[in-house]
Amino acid sequence: NAGVTQTPKFQVLKTGQSMTLQCAQDMNHNSMYWYRQDPGMGLRLIYYSASEGTTDKGEVPNGYNVSRLNKREFSLRLESAAPSQTSVYFCASSEGRGDTEAFFGQGTRLTVV
Amino acid sequence: QKEVEQNSGPLSVPEGAIASLNCTYSDRGSQSFFWYRQYSGKSPELIMSIYSNGDKEDGRFTAQLNKASQYVSLLIRDSQPSDSATYLCAVNTGDDKIIFGKGTRLHILP
Repeated sequence: NAGVTQTPKFQVLKTGQSMTLQCAQDMNHNSMYWYRQDPGMGLRLIYYSASEGTTDKGEVPNGYNVSRLNKREFSLRLESAAPSQTSVYFCASSEGRGDTEAFFGQGTRLTVV
Repeated sequence: QKEVEQNSGPLSVPEGAIASLNCTYSDRGSQSFFWYRQYSGKSPELIMSIYSNGDKEDGRFTAQLNKASQYVSLLIRDSQPSDSATYLCAVNTGDDKIIFGKGTRLHILP
């Protein structure tokens, strides 16, 4: 049972390049999340999807787009990467009853130069 | 903007003592509250969840919730060096949005 799987684990981009971070969960969870973590800033919510077919902005959505491809997969796209998007990105999922905890993937360390 | 506030620390506690971590939240409609532990370079892992006012104990960990004061705390008894980590307070705001505080760094001194 893999849980939440993110790809890639590491990535270096040049300013202006685009890329998509992939996330898949095998726990039949309804809700999925993308967070970024910067030193001293905790986890900040970028976007979340409470159910298949819906997405909502979180605390720091600017510069990102998301797609909830199906119940299992939730991708995060950077259209034109900026150095300020250098961060560790975590995908998470939860059952989605409004009272459940999030389970995390292993993270993607992204550097934009 | 809904917020979760934590003291960033570092909090230094002698081995064997009680570590006390605190968190406040702004959204009175929040229904569920979580404590995660994160080791350096690793993903957050859930250690406690609490949903109603009062205390909830699990081994050496006790979570406390006071919804009237919008306050959540985590006590770690008999602190061990392996408890040294960053502890993240999280809140499910009811619309299934889960937001986190900035985390408190805990150092257990041998």
